[in-house]
Amino acid sequence: GAGVSQSPSNKVTEKGKDVELRCDPISGHTALYWYRQSLGQGLEFLIYFQGNSAPDKSGLPSDRFSAERTGGSVSTLTIQRTQQEDSAVYLCASGFSLETGELFFGEGSRLTVL
Amino acid sequence: QKEVEQNSGPLSVPEGAIASLNCTYSDRGSQSFFWYRQYSGKSPELIMFIYSNGDKEDGRFTAQLNKASQYVSLLIRDSQPSDSATYLCAVKNRGGSYIPTFGRGTSLIVHP
Repeated sequence: GAGVSQSPSNKVTEKGKDVELRCDPISGHTALYWYRQSLGQGLEFLIYFQGNSAPDKSGLPSDRFSAERTGGSVSTLTIQRTQQEDSAVYLCASGFSLETGELFFGEGSRLTVL
Repeated sequence: QKEVEQNSGPLSVPEGAIASLNCTYSDRGSQSFFWYRQYSGKSPELIMFIYSNGDKEDGRFTAQLNKASQYVSLLIRDSQPSDSATYLCAVKNRGGSYIPTFGRGTSLIVHP
């Protein structure tokens, strides 16, 4: 498809387990962002990539969160030892470049930690 | 702390009316402004962006920017029930931080 693709769309896990969330951006988009949105809340910035580089990791909530991007394309957000407060919708967005700021979002990965 | 403020609403307007959504921001260095629409249970969708002071029109949507007063607004003319959604304002500082900061959104309800 032509849009941003995220998987899984829904993930239920037990507290303490590790999860991986995948994002496949729009072809040709160099900028890639991860946000998360809790029920009824705004978008919380997590991390962004320019190419494969993540210049600003300050938004990651704790050292249990990590992300990588390979080949300037697919990105993976990993959450280790999940906690209940990690439950949220994790949104990936891509953009033409960091300068333009226009973001195109995927449908999100809904994470529920029991 | 860069902040983007929006009235959470809900803003309720009758079908055919003009809906006016407002957003204020704290960072005077902000230079790019975006409006996203988010239907319930869906992800945000970009509907408008504006960089210069004044008005920008796109179909039934008009974005208005006033940098001196640090506010940006979105007008929706001839509102339709299908416009019922949460509208998110996002602000970005060009050349500085590459992180768009989002407001928490205003819920719009267009009733027939």
